[in-house]
Amino acid sequence: EVQLVESGGGLVQPGGSLRLSCAASGFTFSIYAMSWVRQAPGEGLEWVSAISGSAERTYYADSVKGRFTISRDNSKNTLYQQMNSLRAEDTAVYYCAKLRASGSYDAFDIWGQGTMVTVSS
Amino acid sequence: DIQMTQSPSSVSASVGDRVTITCRASQGISRWLAWYQQKPGKAPKLLIYAASSLQSGVPSRFSGSGSETDFTLTISSLQPEDFATYYCQQANSFPLTFGPGTKVDIK
Repeated sequence: EVQLVESGGGLVQPGGSLRLSCAASGFTFSIYAMSWVRQAPGEGLEWVSAISGSAERTYYADSVKGRFTISRDNSKNTLYQQMNSLRAEDTAVYYCAKLRASGSYDAFDIWGQGTMVTVSS
Repeated sequence: DIQMTQSPSSVSASVGDRVTITCRASQGISRWLAWYQQKPGKAPKLLIYAASSLQSGVPSRFSGSGSETDFTLTISSLQPEDFATYYCQQANSFPLTFGPGTKVDIK
């Protein structure tokens, strides 16, 4: 079964850091780009970051550029997101998502269950 | 950045109704558009990619059309399990962007 399982969310103070993980199974992880998408409480979806299958290319939303770092370990089938200098507006459910086709960024076909990040003092 | 808008923001409909949701891009995106369905407390589910390609396992009552700046998602005969929020997303260029969503609820 194709599956993504996120972990690492929690409560953190403004200015703090957190690292999210996403364990993938059921598909050849290394050939697909991966991404993080977040959803603030009661709000819509916001794309955050993406990384190519080989990890050669990374992309970020302006709202997180310079603060968040996406990475992956293909030997462990795991995606990461290091989040630094967290702000209240980063509070959201963070979803790990797989891009549909190898080498493509056209659509997210598999999503994790999400992990909640709350930034508050 | 490419801005995505959706209309209506919400629609009340009955089982069996035909429902059409519109998505507009602020600039041409060819056919680089996807549609997702999201139910409360759940992750989004991919319905349509490349504007009109039906994702595997998605019922054929869902269809997509359009190109460049104007796109539509149509549910031909609304079923009880279709009451949800629907999002469009452009994949033409980074940053990837989503529309604000259209909530389909029970009339």
